[in-house]
Amino acid sequence: AQKVTQAQTEISVVEKEDVTLDCVYETRDTTYYLFWYKQPPSGELVFLIRRNSFDEQNEISGRYSWNFQKSTSSFNFTITASQVVDSAVYFCALSEPFNSGGSNYKLTFGKGTLLTVNP
Amino acid sequence: DAGITQSPRHKVTETGTPVTLRCHQTENHRYMYWYRQDPGHGLRLIHYSYGVKDTDKGEVSDGYSVSRSKTEDFLLTLESATSSQTSVYFCAIGTSGYYEQYFGPGTRLTVT
Repeated sequence: AQKVTQAQTEISVVEKEDVTLDCVYETRDTTYYLFWYKQPPSGELVFLIRRNSFDEQNEISGRYSWNFQKSTSSFNFTITASQVVDSAVYFCALSEPFNSGGSNYKLTFGKGTLLTVNP
Repeated sequence: DAGITQSPRHKVTETGTPVTLRCHQTENHRYMYWYRQDPGHGLRLIHYSYGVKDTDKGEVSDGYSVSRSKTEDFLLTLESATSSQTSVYFCAIGTSGYYEQYFGPGTRLTVT
């Protein structure tokens, strides 16, 4: 069974601080995909990034960066110089086959981390 | 943004009544999903579809059924709503099973 753990339930920072959201996953598959989603107070779910299990390169997009480490089964998300608009719930998710060797995949979400950025 | 709409956006219904939620996409994506979101549980998959008339259960499918007669529409039915089904329901679509999913705006359902 797969599992995604976001141990930080809530994080509160002051604007311009850097913040890292942790994500640890468990899977028995060698091929899988990891994702981060953002859910702002308005409620919609916004896709941020996908990473496959064969690509351990870190990625940077503006103030956002992601650190994928297979050795520790972690896919952490860092926001540099946080802003009030970054306040949201952030979800980490893992995609793997419903059945071994199957072609239909399921997305399992962590329970999310509520990030509050205070002015 | 992916073209996904959900209707209704809000609904209040009484215990025991049937309820149908609709997800409509304009992206021609093969995969469609229904999730529920509850405090402390994150998002949980109810049912999914991998093509017209092809559907399967997710992790919390009891009390729910789905249908997909057209590529663009995926219906979620609560045959006899219960208070435990009070939740926010999200529809999602995807081009392939393992790539990212794009979510609709959600439907807030309250069962009294």
